[in-house]
Amino acid sequence: EDKVVQSPLSLVVHEGDTVTLNCSYEVTNFRSLLWYKQEKKAPTFLFMLTSSGIEKKSGRLSSILDKKELFSILNITATQTGDSAVYLCAVEAPPKVNDMRFGAGTRLTVKP
Amino acid sequence: EPEVTQTPSHQVTQMGQEVILRCVPISNHLYFYWYRQILGQKVEFLVSFYNNEISEKSEIFDDQFSVERPDGSNFTLKIRSTKLEDSAMYFCASDVAGELFFGEGSRLTVL
Repeated sequence: EDKVVQSPLSLVVHEGDTVTLNCSYEVTNFRSLLWYKQEKKAPTFLFMLTSSGIEKKSGRLSSILDKKELFSILNITATQTGDSAVYLCAVEAPPKVNDMRFGAGTRLTVKP
Repeated sequence: EPEVTQTPSHQVTQMGQEVILRCVPISNHLYFYWYRQILGQKVEFLVSFYNNEISEKSEIFDDQFSVERPDGSNFTLKIRSTKLEDSAMYFCASDVAGELFFGEGSRLTVL
């Protein structure tokens, strides 16, 4: 059975800290891994990763995929209170192309 | 910026009642989805829709559920006879190049 496991489940840090969120997966036919940020309601797209070893970066956020070890990390540097959210990892795995499997999420709380 | 819009934002209904949740996907997107998230739990795939038909559905999406795109813009999720365990946030999403754009969600509470 396909699995997407995120760790930690919950993380509390102070502003300015750097955090690393983990997502490991076991799927039959990997196509892509996506990171989303979920604040109050809808998940918002952060990154889509398809190739190993290529870092994607957006401001203070960056992410990388390791297809050999079957995991991805999401890094947030110089955290701010506005980074507080649940970060979701999702994996697309054909032949169920349109069935994205979500992990349970990591709840990040950034304290002032 | 184009966005996926959903209505209602919150609906409270009695068990056994029919519910229709509505979504307007982003206009040039071709794939549409429904996901649900039970409070405190993970986002779960329900169904995907392409070219006016269901392309995939999960085991959650049983005979009580149906989807329609009645007029080329709205995308609806119908639950025929709601159960208590249908209480959740229902997210509509549409897709371009693998990036899902989610609506704000419709919270369904079944009493």
